[in-house]
Amino acid sequence: DSGVTQTPKHLITATGQRVTLRCSPRSGDLSVYWYQQSLDQGLQFLIQYYNGEERAKGNILERFSAQQFPDLHSELNLSSLELGDSALYFCASGKETQYFGPGTRLLVL
Amino acid sequence: AQTVTQSQPEMSVQEAETVTLSCTYDTSESNYYLFWYKQPPSRQMILVIRQEAYKQQNATENRFSVNFQKAAKSFSLKISDSQLGDTAMYFCAFIAFGNEKLTFGTGTRLTIIP
Repeated sequence: DSGVTQTPKHLITATGQRVTLRCSPRSGDLSVYWYQQSLDQGLQFLIQYYNGEERAKGNILERFSAQQFPDLHSELNLSSLELGDSALYFCASGKETQYFGPGTRLLVL
Repeated sequence: AQTVTQSQPEMSVQEAETVTLSCTYDTSESNYYLFWYKQPPSRQMILVIRQEAYKQQNATENRFSVNFQKAAKSFSLKISDSQLGDTAMYFCAFIAFGNEKLTFGTGTRLTIIP
């Protein structure tokens, strides 16, 4: 158990819909990272938050957004969903060493 | 930009044998960290081992050890006395000091044969 929690574990939705993925970092970690793992793109860094502020941005689509709240949990919002957004979404926390949550499996039908 | 290359898409080995997974990387950074993560069928990403680039000594964690060749930009993972539970995808990853964005290789699917 990495100490990073993610909910929900599974999510099935339709194209055009909006979903919210939630992550709680390990106790004491101020940073949260979001990654997407898809079959054709591998593991891709999306975005990082540090103590409530956006710190780094990767290959995140404009339809996706994230935020980190004062209690340090983070939410990743995915809107206008497309079939290609089906993937495993990971949250991680830590500093030089990142510890991953169990992931949220998103299936867009 | 950093790149991480894993040239072995799949490997298999008999239980109790030793196996080495290869990883090379490209970077202009001098301070960085390298990692091996394991992703079993459950899809959880599990940290296996970490190496700091400024350390000459190779990292070891029980049956897992690395061969870090900084000049060659090579970072291989050796698994000794392999066990059925080692069956998984293994990802090599790189992070530059102060960058905090992990860059992953494409992974090696390792199967341990009973």
